[in-house]
Amino acid sequence: GESVGLHLPTLSVQEGDNSIINCAYSNSASDYFIWYKQESGKGPQFIIDIRSNMDKRQGQRVTVLLNKTVKHLSLQIAATQPGDSAVYFCAEKPGGSARQLTFGSGTQLTVLP
Amino acid sequence: NAGVTQTPKFRVLKTGQSMTLLCAQDMNHEYMYWYRQDPGMGLRLIHYSVGEGTTAKGEVPDGYNVSRLKKQNFLLGLESAAPSQTSVYFCASSTGNEKLFFGSGTQLSVL
Repeated sequence: GESVGLHLPTLSVQEGDNSIINCAYSNSASDYFIWYKQESGKGPQFIIDIRSNMDKRQGQRVTVLLNKTVKHLSLQIAATQPGDSAVYFCAEKPGGSARQLTFGSGTQLTVLP
Repeated sequence: NAGVTQTPKFRVLKTGQSMTLLCAQDMNHEYMYWYRQDPGMGLRLIHYSVGEGTTAKGEVPDGYNVSRLKKQNFLLGLESAAPSQTSVYFCASSTGNEKLFFGSGTQLSVL
């Protein structure tokens, strides 16, 4: 899975399968996390976010899991579709209004027919 | 629903030339950001603004300047372009420092 500063990993899944994209974060003071999807030639698009007082949050076909003990974040996509093919970024933000998001390098998800 | 609009979408510059990228948002957001995206490095924050008339440096501010004269606009300037500034530039806006809304990007090449 991705981590802030590492090269772009890739993940290939069969259409209809579930996808799990992982992200390791480094700052134990981070209290907010967010996932973005970026299709080729487009800007990042918000998928889902979660605060550090939660372990899990669900959206439409997506679930984000947060494990603060090991500083790990994952994005689960149910019944992956061809339109899910994109680069997925996680980002973290330490607590405080003056702090800004730090983005990971992303994971390239390819959905196979 | 325009959201965040960036102009131009593509630009080619020669080393030493100057240019300004324009970002406009119609969501009445207080916060605006400029990021650059390079292969394998994710999004890196150049400058940001927490309100009209304010600007602050991000992670990679050198070689860039910004202005936020109007709440809806955030300008990114390159005074003397260098090949190292070849990148894709994204503008974003938000109500705070969390959920950002991004534009579609500007591909800049400096020869």
